Amino acid sequence: KAGVTQTPRYLIKTRGQQVTLSCSPISGHRSVSWYQQTPGQGLQFLFEYFSETQRNKGNFPGRFSGRQFSNSRSEMNVSTLELGDSALYLCASSLGQLSTDTQYFGPGTRLTVL
Amino acid sequence: AQSVTQLGSHVSVSEGALVLLRCNYSSSVPPYLFWYVQYPNQGLQLLLKYTSAATLVKGINGFEAEFKKSETSFHLTKPSAHMSDAAEYFCAVSVGGGFKTIFGAGTRLFVKA
Repeated sequence: KAGVTQTPRYLIKTRGQQVTLSCSPISGHRSVSWYQQTPGQGLQFLFEYFSETQRNKGNFPGRFSGRQFSNSRSEMNVSTLELGDSALYLCASSLGQLSTDTQYFGPGTRLTVL
Repeated sequence: AQSVTQLGSHVSVSEGALVLLRCNYSSSVPPYLFWYVQYPNQGLQLLLKYTSAATLVKGINGFEAEFKKSETSFHLTKPSAHMSDAAEYFCAVSVGGGFKTIFGAGTRLFVKA
């Protein structure tokens, strides 16, 4: 069974631009979560979707948004990029919606903002 | 509010020696606790998880962790380190419904030959 895939793997943008990252969960998984990983702040939770509904949201500004489609694929969008948005963005999927369900992580998208 | 503290941002051990990575948590409700490993340029992989069943949890690659409520700890151990264990390890706590997972700052494990 294929794992979680994230596209693109690497991305370079300039300040003020917007970006869309994509995540395809493991087949059959209905929950998708997004995390931002930076050397300074570590791993921080962005948001989580289950069956196209956002169930949880982290403490990020409104420039960060996401959505989930009926096939469970998810996208996150960052508008008006800032230098501090440079990070590894990780997506994780799980079968159900329980906190104890195992999350499977993708390899991440490394975003560099110049 | 829930939080996780990992003691030591870097730990170095010799091959064959005991691995001990420390994690303390803070939670107002019974927590679900996890250990993940991250190799360079890869995502996170679950090593083990505590879900209020047995307090001693066995994971993959010979790792285990013990939940100690009195000490609010969930330390990760492995009896004998291998070179392939060199990676970054994250302790995490899951809060409420869904996956608002709070991660510790991570501990980078170095294994010396």
